[in-house]
Amino acid sequence: ETGVTQTPRHLVMGMTNKKSLKCEQHLGHNAMYWYKQSAKKPLELMFVYNFKEQTENNSVPSRFSPECPNSSHLFLHLHTLQPEDSALYLCASSQAPTGSGANVLTFGAGSRLTVL
Amino acid sequence: GENVEQHPSTLSVQEGDSAVIKCTYSDSASNYFPWYKQELGKGPQLIIDIRSNVGEKKDQRIAVTLNKTAKHFSLHITETQPEDSAVYFCAASNTNAGKSTFGDGTTLTVKP
Repeated sequence: ETGVTQTPRHLVMGMTNKKSLKCEQHLGHNAMYWYKQSAKKPLELMFVYNFKEQTENNSVPSRFSPECPNSSHLFLHLHTLQPEDSALYLCASSQAPTGSGANVLTFGAGSRLTVL
Repeated sequence: GENVEQHPSTLSVQEGDSAVIKCTYSDSASNYFPWYKQELGKGPQLIIDIRSNVGEKKDQRIAVTLNKTAKHFSLHITETQPEDSAVYFCAASNTNAGKSTFGDGTTLTVKP
């Protein structure tokens, strides 16, 4: 257990479904991240949140919608996904997005998504 | 932006041998270089890191070296054990900008 918990661990959904991935961190960190891990791009940054505010959107399609209600929780809402969106979605947190604590990432175990 | 290249993509060694994984980066402003280990079914875990004001850092069987002039850094694992088998990722970042760029990963297999 790393202090970053992701649910569900596995998710299968159809292209017309709407589902959400949840991430929770118990480390007192202020920055949270979503990464996509696939065979094509092993660790691809999607979104960054700092103190609940989105500071980075790495040209992610709008069918992925993040939400950060507070510094401890991060969601990724999914709708009308494509089969090529099947991947492992990793949540991470860090003490801060910039400064000496920046980029020291603690990852969760990931949510394995399969889109049929 | 930053570009990180990691080699080799796969590495197989005999138990007890050493393993070396190399990464190069492009942005001279990068000042933080972590290494992550990802075991099957888990997320990447930080195993060692080095900052640009240091040339080498060691923690038991693992060490990292940094050559800022050449813009490359390496992970060294000595006396490898089967439990070292995993995917290893290097990363480079500028802590002032707050974004990490990862290499494509190296799958290390340690044969008993």
